[in-house]
Formats: sequence, structure tokens, C-alpha cells
Amino acid sequence: GENVEQHPSTLSVQEGDSAVIKCTYSDSASNYFPWYKQELGKGPQLIIDIRSNVGEKKDQRIAVTLNKTAKHFSLHITETQPEDSAVYFCAASHQGAQKLVFGQGTRLTINP
Amino acid sequence: DTAVSQTPKYLVTQMGNDKSIKCEQNLGHDTMYWYKQDSKKFLKIMFSYNNKELIINETVPNRFSPKSPDKAHLNLHINSLELGDSAVYFCASSQGGASWDEQFFGPGTRLTVL
Repeated sequence: GENVEQHPSTLSVQEGDSAVIKCTYSDSASNYFPWYKQELGKGPQLIIDIRSNVGEKKDQRIAVTLNKTAKHFSLHITETQPEDSAVYFCAASHQGAQKLVFGQGTRLTINP
Repeated sequence: DTAVSQTPKYLVTQMGNDKSIKCEQNLGHDTMYWYKQDSKKFLKIMFSYNNKELIINETVPNRFSPKSPDKAHLNLHINSLELGDSAVYFCASSQGGASWDEQFFGPGTRLTVL
């Protein structure tokens, strides 16, 4: 089955700097890669996703890139703000699968 | 508010007890899920139901029994609670049953077994 590895487990950046979180997956059939953000005391919330027919997707300050050959994808947050502090989860699945497989999570802290 | 809601938010109980967590969604979604998040934040699916039918049943002890009285509700009953059951349990829902459908999570239930 699918296995998703996420790094780093914790990340601390200065406000205004960029943050990058990386994930690798094992199943070459996977073709859907969402990112969820979990704020303190809340459930995860989808912030961006990418399908394997594109290599990059951007939504304001966040972007996701996908390298299918290397089986890895990354989340990029630019101009970080205090409200970006949260735990971020990557996930992977393939069409027809009925579940997402999540990475271990990255705790991002934005320092003022 | 349209949302996924769970009750209770906190649950503290003794080993060996039986407890239930309730989940309701008013989004009109067809599929509901239960996830377990351990102390290291690892998020793992336990069950999913689509229109009251069990779709996913991961390797979960049979002390855990989900029940879906209708497609808007998915409750989780846990028998003979053990220390290792301590975790945050999240309910989620999605429009369809495909993994590509956005999942909407509830606020979580923090279960502590003493």
C-alpha cells in the first residue's frame, strides 16, 4: 500500500520568510496530492491540492509542486505570517482509492 | 452553521469502560469517516461509511464499532477502553466516496483513558 513520508517534522521561520515542506510517496499509481492545515484545537482543513496532470499549482502565498518521476511533492509558503503557524499534513491517493494516506505532519512556527 | 460537529469535545474515563462519540454533518455529504490522531499528531483513518454502508475498515480492534443510523450521522462506540486508546478522534465527511473529494473535519474529541 501507499506510504507517505513528510519532512521536516518541525520548522521554524521568521515572519516574512518562506517555508518549504516536502513529502515523498511510494505508490507510483498515486495521482492526487492534497495538503491540509490543522490549527491548534481544530480539525485539519484542505488548503491546496494537486493532481498528477500538472507540475505546479499556486494560490496566493501557497504553492505546491509535484515531481512524479522522483515521487515527491512540496508545499511552499511565501511571505509567511503568524497565522500560518499550524501543523501541515500532506497526503496521497490514486483514482479509485477510497482513502487518503497522510504524512506524519509538520509543525510550522512563524516567529515574529 | 454548516459543519461537521462532534460530541463530546473532551472525554476522560477509566480503563475498561465503554464510551461513545457522536458525529453529525449538515453538509449533505454521502461519506463520513473516523480518524485517530495519536500524541505525535499522526493521522490515520479508521472507518468510512458511504450512505450508511461500511466502505473502509482499517486494522482496528473490534472493540471499536462504528454505527451510521443515517447518512448525516456516524457514531463511534468503544468497548473495554485501554490506555492506548487515548488520542484525538476526528470525524470527517466528503461529498462522494472518492479519495479526491475534499474532506471536511470536525473539531475532534480528545479521549483520555486513565
